Amino acid sequence: DTGVSQDPRHKITKRGQNVTFRCDPISEHNRLYWYRQTLGQGPEFLTYFQNEAQLEKSRLLSDRFSAERPKGSFSTLEIQRTEQGDSAMYLCASSLGLAGDTDTQYFGPGTRLTVL
Amino acid sequence: DAKTTQPNSMESNEEEPVHLPCNHSTISGTDYIHWYRQLPSQGPEYVIHGLTSNVNNRMASLAIAEDRKSSTLILHRATLRDAAVYYCIPPPNSGGSNYKLTFGKGTLLTVNP
Repeated sequence: DTGVSQDPRHKITKRGQNVTFRCDPISEHNRLYWYRQTLGQGPEFLTYFQNEAQLEKSRLLSDRFSAERPKGSFSTLEIQRTEQGDSAMYLCASSLGLAGDTDTQYFGPGTRLTVL
Repeated sequence: DAKTTQPNSMESNEEEPVHLPCNHSTISGTDYIHWYRQLPSQGPEYVIHGLTSNVNNRMASLAIAEDRKSSTLILHRATLRDAAVYYCIPPPNSGGSNYKLTFGKGTLLTVNP
């Protein structure tokens, strides 16, 4: 399978614990995105990388959240001191980074986080 | 940023055509409209995008109004596998950057056997 992969698929943690998610994009894709989706809502943009550079962070990304893409390939999203409100599906996507409006994003299956 | 509005839900019968509308009255003249869908328990997947004229691909057709203030995603023969939330995405432009997809609640399509 050459699509976007995410690990783990499910994570249950206790409030206050730290969690880290991994995303492996499609290999030739320069851009990598993180979104969050809560029940009944569409995905919301969190942040994105152009190669290893993090170029934009949503105001949804509090100080407890940090994302990295150290070598411009895989990315990690860490949440420190988790809260119950962090419970959501965390989606990763990647794209070639084409100019203009035609850059298609390819999504992974997501990591479902439950904070008890 | 441009906004879109879609019905919350629609229902169809299997093997019948489905027309999913989207209003995007604030779109500018050079903005593409993208459609994605999200099957149950999966991440969103790209469906189609277009600028002015009608577009076709193996998944669907996109009919764009002449004034570009609305568009319709057409599934020619709905199957049970087409049951999903369909998102009409406004142009991913913000300050000139084309990185961010803004999803609303989309239209939940139910396909009856």
